[in-house]
Amino acid sequence: NAGVTQTPKFQVLKTGQSMTLQCAQDMNHNSMYWYRQDPGMGLRLIYYSASEGTTDKGEVPNGYNVSRLNKREFSLRLESAAPSQTSVYFCASSPKGGGITDTQYFGPGTRLTVL
Amino acid sequence: DQQVKQNSPSLSVQEGRISILNCDYTNSMFDYFLWYKKYPAEGPTFLISISSIKDKNEDGRFTVFLNKSAKHLSLHIVPSQPGDSAVYFCAASARWAGNNRKLIWGLGTSLGVNP
Repeated sequence: NAGVTQTPKFQVLKTGQSMTLQCAQDMNHNSMYWYRQDPGMGLRLIYYSASEGTTDKGEVPNGYNVSRLNKREFSLRLESAAPSQTSVYFCASSPKGGGITDTQYFGPGTRLTVL
Repeated sequence: DQQVKQNSPSLSVQEGRISILNCDYTNSMFDYFLWYKKYPAEGPTFLISISSIKDKNEDGRFTVFLNKSAKHLSLHIVPSQPGDSAVYFCAASARWAGNNRKLIWGLGTSLGVNP
């Protein structure tokens, strides 16, 4: 039982390059999330998927796209990377998504640097 | 504007003593609060939570207290152990886009427990 896995762990991009961050969970959770963590900003929600087949914008969606490929996988794509997207990206999942006590489980993060 | 504030970036305590981590919030609509713990190079892991209808929740060495009138909560760790050294995040749960929920995160407090 691996929980939430993310690939890659580290990535360096040049401005304008594209890439996809991969996330998978093996807990049969319905909801999945993408966050970014920046110094002095806390964790901020980029996109989330309340259930398979649905995706919605979070607080900071600009510059990103997501795909909920199936129940297990939720990917985050940067079409044209910018230095402002340098951050640590966390994927998370939760059993239900709508419940008040729904706990989120996090992956280990991807450290992305855009030059 | 930070809706969830952890005003102490760091805290250092002796092993065996009590650690008290504080968190303030500004939005009275928050109805559920969580503490997460994060080790370096790992994602946050859920520690303990409390509903706004309660003023205390205890789980082993960890107790969370909520003072709704002051919009303040605190996490007590007794006794503190060196393995508790980590960054602790306070998060508040709010309704988002209908029945979904999102977490609003504080910036974290780095706890160091000295042997």
